[in-house]
Amino acid sequence: QKEVEQDPGPLSVPEGAIVSLNCTYSNSAFQYFMWYRQYSRKGPELLMYTYSSGNKEDGRFTAQVDKSSKYISLFIRDSQPSDSATYLCATQGAGTASKLTFGTGTRLQVTL
Amino acid sequence: DTEVTQTPKHLVMGMTNKKSLKCEQHMGHRAMYWYKQKAKKPPELMFVYSYEKLSINESVPSRFSPECPNSSLLNLHLHALQPEDSALYLCASSRDSSGANVLTFGAGSRLTVL
Repeated sequence: QKEVEQDPGPLSVPEGAIVSLNCTYSNSAFQYFMWYRQYSRKGPELLMYTYSSGNKEDGRFTAQVDKSSKYISLFIRDSQPSDSATYLCATQGAGTASKLTFGTGTRLQVTL
Repeated sequence: DTEVTQTPKHLVMGMTNKKSLKCEQHMGHRAMYWYKQKAKKPPELMFVYSYEKLSINESVPSRFSPECPNSSLLNLHLHALQPEDSALYLCASSRDSSGANVLTFGAGSRLTVL
């Protein structure tokens, strides 16, 4: 079993839709949870970062962590064609120099 | 300045060549990373430098040799690579390697080994 599981998609939605992207993880030691967005032929860029359980909102994006079920989500409201990219979840333990563990990424296509 | 700059953007090399990838950041970050990313896969960690010292080597073959000349620069020296080493090589930096590794990635160097 992979430490972080993520549906690779592709996920295709019409412009304006609400998008839900999800990951599950197996290691209860993970304390930090990130979402990165990667456009084609570019490096990943950090979208959201949360510590432990709870919600965090930034504009059209909401990150949600449920540690009891080891489930992390990213919601995108009013999706735009410019949101078309691969979304990678990433988790990390609390120890010093603890490594990031990435999910496989979900490819999202927002159509006009 | 919130960028990580990688050069070259594209590199084609033969299996007997020696080349280097370069990475630079001026955000005052003290941890720098090399990742390898194959198509439709997540980034895989190769090396971590913390305060200019190599802190993590993920059992990477010796044909990849990292170097951190100073806190702003990170190199990856390549020698006798194999075609399966063709990938996007990503450099990243973070404030340091403790706490949350909030990484800032460069755009990557796309390497093709013939």
